Amino acid sequence: EAQVTQNPRYLITVTGKKLTVTCSQNMNHEYMSWYRQDPGLGLRQIYYSMNVEVTDKGDVPEGYKVSRKEKRNFPLILESPSPNQTSLYFCASSRQYSNQPQHFGDGTRLSIL
Amino acid sequence: QKEVEQDPGPLSVPEGAIVSLNCTYSNSAFQYFMWYRQYSRKGPELLMYTYSSGNKEDGRFTAQVDKSSKYISLFIRDSQPSDSATYLCAMSLNNFNKFYFGSGTKLNVKP
Repeated sequence: EAQVTQNPRYLITVTGKKLTVTCSQNMNHEYMSWYRQDPGLGLRQIYYSMNVEVTDKGDVPEGYKVSRKEKRNFPLILESPSPNQTSLYFCASSRQYSNQPQHFGDGTRLSIL
Repeated sequence: QKEVEQDPGPLSVPEGAIVSLNCTYSNSAFQYFMWYRQYSRKGPELLMYTYSSGNKEDGRFTAQVDKSSKYISLFIRDSQPSDSATYLCAMSLNNFNKFYFGSGTKLNVKP
């Protein structure tokens, strides 16, 4: 089954404690992306990757890091989380340069106290 | 000003009604226009996409793009309770690397 898998699904943590949200896809997609979803603001793109070792900023990259060492994985790293990063996070993947749909994971709800 | 504006609703209609969902945008360079459906506690799933202006129909769904007005619409005919979800519009330039989403319209179809 084609899947984008995010872990953890839920996390409550404290300010300043480094955390990583993992994202893995099994569709051999070149393109992967991270979004955050906040009430009234919709989905906003954090970072995206066109292929292995190629990443670029989206609209709201501040406070986040990513890496793409393997095609299937695209982890999102919060080095020093702050309360304003409390949000619902989605990872997505698709073929590169394609109008084919982005496949989304089921989301990770982060609460930073 | 946000790149993409969408009325958050909620929009409540009786089963069988025709639903109209709309978005406006500010960047005339957008080329691809998409509609996603998002059920509670799930990720968005693509419903339809269109390139440039025009109409596209898929079953009960019709997507319209009016680039001159910077306005896109999604019509749902014969709406069903299973259509109850949040609908997100999204747009992209001609390179498919950055995507801009509306805030979503919550639709409730009452049996």
